[in-house]
Amino acid sequence: QQQVKQSPQSLIVQKGGISIINCAYENTAFDYFPWYQQFPGKGPALLIAIRPDVSEKKEGRFTISFNKSAKQFSLHIMDSQPGDSATYFCAAANQAGTALIFGKGTTLSVSS
Amino acid sequence: DTGVSQDPRHKITKRGQNVTFRCDPISEHNRLYWYRQTLGQGPEFLTYFQNEAQLEKSRLLSDRFSAERPKGSFSTLEIQRTEQGDSAMYLCASSLFSGSYYEQYFGPGTRLTVT
Repeated sequence: QQQVKQSPQSLIVQKGGISIINCAYENTAFDYFPWYQQFPGKGPALLIAIRPDVSEKKEGRFTISFNKSAKQFSLHIMDSQPGDSATYFCAAANQAGTALIFGKGTTLSVSS
Repeated sequence: DTGVSQDPRHKITKRGQNVTFRCDPISEHNRLYWYRQTLGQGPEFLTYFQNEAQLEKSRLLSDRFSAERPKGSFSTLEIQRTEQGDSAMYLCASSLFSGSYYEQYFGPGTRLTVT
């Protein structure tokens, strides 16, 4: 049973465009939702994270939108750049500091 | 500022052999995690430690797997009698409480290939 569903599986965006990746979760006990960026052959790097007490969090070009009632959250990458081309994972945890449950990932390609 | 380090970065072994991986967390991080990632998938949780205590183990962590964190510093993950299905990237992460949650920072991983 997959607890975090991520879509789309792959995404192609023009340079300067907005990349949007969506995740849905089932476990209402989840209370921590990070996004990670992973380049080939590297470990995942923490991008941005949110708790359910806020609906949006922005850091630079990256924004998380959170909808608690729908049990969904999304990552928006504004002004997408070729250097953003990577695999992005959403994740969730039911208590901060314990196991992260990851989505299956979205491969983003930003064309110049 | 040193990140999480893992050794070796790559390991090729024959089926049935034992392998051991090492993880050095970010200094002062009291929690350390092990995950496994197969091609095209997200990382899957294996186990985690707070200081030297192993607090949680996934059902993915079969009897052939054992992890330790002596003295609450570095950690080792050993796989006994390796199988081809063990081929994966083994990731280590560490964390420290930051404001309202623990942020997990990952190392570069150890790529295991079982032939």
